[in-house]
Amino acid sequence: KQEVTQIPAALSVPEGENLVLNCSFTDSAIYNLQWFRQDPGKGLTSLLLIQSSQREQTSGRLNASLDKSSGRSTLYIAASQPGDSATYLCAVLGSGGYQKVTFGTGTKLQVIP
Amino acid sequence: KAGVTQTPRYLIKTRGQQVTLSCSPISGHRSVSWYQQTPGQGLQFLFEYFSETQRNKGNFPGRFSGRQFSNSRSEMNVSTLELGDSALYLCASSLNQGVSEQYFGPGTRLTVT
Repeated sequence: KQEVTQIPAALSVPEGENLVLNCSFTDSAIYNLQWFRQDPGKGLTSLLLIQSSQREQTSGRLNASLDKSSGRSTLYIAASQPGDSATYLCAVLGSGGYQKVTFGTGTKLQVIP
Repeated sequence: KAGVTQTPRYLIKTRGQQVTLSCSPISGHRSVSWYQQTPGQGLQFLFEYFSETQRNKGNFPGRFSGRQFSNSRSEMNVSTLELGDSALYLCASSLNQGVSEQYFGPGTRLTVT
């Protein structure tokens, strides 16, 4: 059974700081890993999708890396802004016989002006 | 291009009743997945539909069911509601089954009293 863990559970940083969010998964047999942000009471917004054959993806101030062998992904946010405050979730799509998306526990980020 | 839409946005039901939630995917997307989000359990996969067929199913009781229509719209039904079914129900659409990037709707907030 795939288990996805995100550390830390909560993070508070001053505006302008660079930060790293972590995502760990137990089963390396995955098709892809996707990072999302969720604002309170809202749905999920897709940030980055990394296929299992890729090592990283970039979009603006965001950079996500994937190391399948160690079961880890990181989301790097450069020059954080108050608008980045949200909960960040990673989701793993398994490539076993029973394909299923497993979400991490989330990291709640607060960027202080 | 319009995003994923879910109706209704909010619902209040009584224990023992049943409820039907609706999801319209992004135009051209053929896969629809459903998730339940609660503070205690986080985001959990319910099921995925592709070409009107259920392709994957999470670990939920048979009270949770769904279907997909020929236009890719999907409905989710929960029968004999329990207090523990109170949650945010999220729908996600993707171009194809499994490996494609998922796009989420705003969710339906279900409260069972």
